[in-house]
Amino acid sequence: NAGVTQTPKFQVLKTGQSMTLQCAQDMNHEYMSWYRQDPGMGLRLIHYSVGAGITDQGEVPNGYNVSRSTTEDFPLRLLSAAPSQTSVYFCASSSSGGAVETQYFGPGTRLLVL
Amino acid sequence: AQSVTQLDSHVSVSEGTPVLLRCNYSSSYSPSLFWYVQHPNKGLQLLLKYTSAATLVKGINGFEAEFKKSETSFHLTKPSAHMSDAAEYFCVVRRYGGSQGNLIFGKGTKLSVKP
Repeated sequence: NAGVTQTPKFQVLKTGQSMTLQCAQDMNHEYMSWYRQDPGMGLRLIHYSVGAGITDQGEVPNGYNVSRSTTEDFPLRLLSAAPSQTSVYFCASSSSGGAVETQYFGPGTRLLVL
Repeated sequence: AQSVTQLDSHVSVSEGTPVLLRCNYSSSYSPSLFWYVQHPNKGLQLLLKYTSAATLVKGINGFEAEFKKSETSFHLTKPSAHMSDAAEYFCVVRRYGGSQGNLIFGKGTKLSVKP
């Protein structure tokens, strides 16, 4: 199993540009989520999904959209990038959203918005 | 509401000496607690998790953590630090209400290991 994969690894955008961060998992996990990591802030939840066709907002959803058309994929879209979205983005998955489930993280996408 | 507080943003130890990374939690419910490690420019890896089965939890790479309800703490320890332990460590609590899959991260503790 490849686990959780993310592309691209690094991206530079100009303010106002749009892009999609890709996330895929091959573990047949129902639960997937997106976090952003900023220095001194830990990781903060952006959006999550409990299954195909179901998404919900996390702690910091503004400026981001998600969809979940398949179990495997959970892309994160930036519609109009802003410098405040410069961050490292992590995708995670688990077999369910249960309290004892381990979440598996991808390697991250480093985004720089100029 | 749940939260975690990591009491030190940076801890420095010498190789071969004990490691203590401190974490306090706040939760109205019996919490699910985790420690994750992030090596430089890498993703996050689960070290261990507490799910109320036992108060002393053993994890990978010789790390362990003890859940102390009376002190609302979940400190991470290792008897003898290794150079490869240098990384950032996150204490995490599972959010209750809404989707239980959501994690709340502490701000992280950077561990440096001196030769």
